[in-house]
Amino acid sequence: EIVLTQSPGTLSLSPGERATLSCRASQSVTNNYLAWFQQRPGQAPRLLIYDATNRATGVPDRFSGSGSGTDFTLSISRLEPEDFAVYYCQQSSHAPLTFGGGTKVEIK
Amino acid sequence: QVQLRESGPGLLKPSETLSLTCTVSGGSMTSDYWSWFRQPPGKGLEWLGLIYYSGNTNYNPSLKSRVIISLDTSKNQFSLRLSSVTAADTAMYFCTSGSGWLPEYWGQGTLVTVSS
Repeated sequence: EIVLTQSPGTLSLSPGERATLSCRASQSVTNNYLAWFQQRPGQAPRLLIYDATNRATGVPDRFSGSGSGTDFTLSISRLEPEDFAVYYCQQSSHAPLTFGGGTKVEIK
Repeated sequence: QVQLRESGPGLLKPSETLSLTCTVSGGSMTSDYWSWFRQPPGKGLEWLGLIYYSGNTNYNPSLKSRVIISLDTSKNQFSLRLSSVTAADTAMYFCTSGSGWLPEYWGQGTLVTVSS
């Protein structure tokens, strides 16, 4: 099983600031099948980034993904009020599919 | 765009079997992968398993002996059965779809509580 470790657990930032979220895998994620999801309270997760670097349909370009192998990053260039949420990384290269523990981006 | 909606009992007693259905609209079930996930209150996400349109399945080993996922393309539905539930199975349950294993589209989720 691929274990995904996200850091930090909580990120306290102000609107307009840049957010950088990290996801580290316990073994290489084949084909970089690493995705990022956003989850707001009371809502289902929303796909933001797939295959490490590709934005999903309708996702603003302030969201970007980078990385390969075992180290991946989600960046939000300028935080908007609606971006304060929990973010999960998830791998689809090996069963069982697994998620990281999440990073909460909160308003400072 | 595919839309998914979960349905089923919201309250179960320990040892009962959880049965949920996901109804699909806006897309064909003769392709794609169909998955179930869950999220205990205040916790992270767990994959339960998936079924391909051909009927092939893949389950999380942590639950493999208790979980069955099935597909009914004539009704545009797929289902989850989880046997011998305990309080640890209390969670929001989500159904998803995707062209690969990636869960691209999500239902809104349905809360299942296990309590005596």
